[in-house]
Amino acid sequence: QKEVEQNSGPLSVPEGAIASLNCTYSDRGSQSFFWYRQYSGKSPELIMSIYSNGDKEDGRFTAQLNKASQYVSLLIRDSQPSDSATYLCATYTGGFKTIFGAGTRLFVKA
Amino acid sequence: DTGVSQNPRHKITKRGQNVTFRCDPISEHNRLYWYRQTLGQGPEFLTYFQNEAQLEKSRLLSDRFSAERPKGSFSTLEIQRTEQGDSAMYLCASSLVWTGENYEQYFGPGTRLTVT
Repeated sequence: QKEVEQNSGPLSVPEGAIASLNCTYSDRGSQSFFWYRQYSGKSPELIMSIYSNGDKEDGRFTAQLNKASQYVSLLIRDSQPSDSATYLCATYTGGFKTIFGAGTRLFVKA
Repeated sequence: DTGVSQNPRHKITKRGQNVTFRCDPISEHNRLYWYRQTLGQGPEFLTYFQNEAQLEKSRLLSDRFSAERPKGSFSTLEIQRTEQGDSAMYLCASSLVWTGENYEQYFGPGTRLTVT
């Protein structure tokens, strides 16, 4: 079992819709959770961090964390073609190591 | 704050040659990380520094890889006797020391290595 699992996609949504990206993790000791956006050929860009159970909203983005279910998600409201990218989920368990999932590719159709 | 910078951005080398990459972190960040990323995968941890001390190195890292951060500022990653399997994007990231809810890592633009 991979430590951080994501559906590779592609996830295709029409412009203006809500995109829902999901991630599960195996280490119950995970303390911090991150979503990165990565455009093709570019480096990852941090878009959200979440540390406590519940929802955290930032503009069109909402991160949701459920530690009991070991599940973290990212919702993108009013999706735009510019949101088309790979979204990486990452967890931090203390010490030094951040574990990344393989990412979910999102396509937003104009 | 100019962000994390990496040089060179691209490197093409022949198998067996040595290569060195440089990373300059965000100035107030005392943690620095190196990752490797191949197509279709997330970044894979290689090593990290807190100030000038190298505190952890991935077991995936062979003896051909070495990293330094001599004065706790910039860092270099050297690959000796490169192999075609070393072709990847090498990413550097930096962060503050974890204090509870302050651990975001910020990535540089990466160095894309191609070994021919």
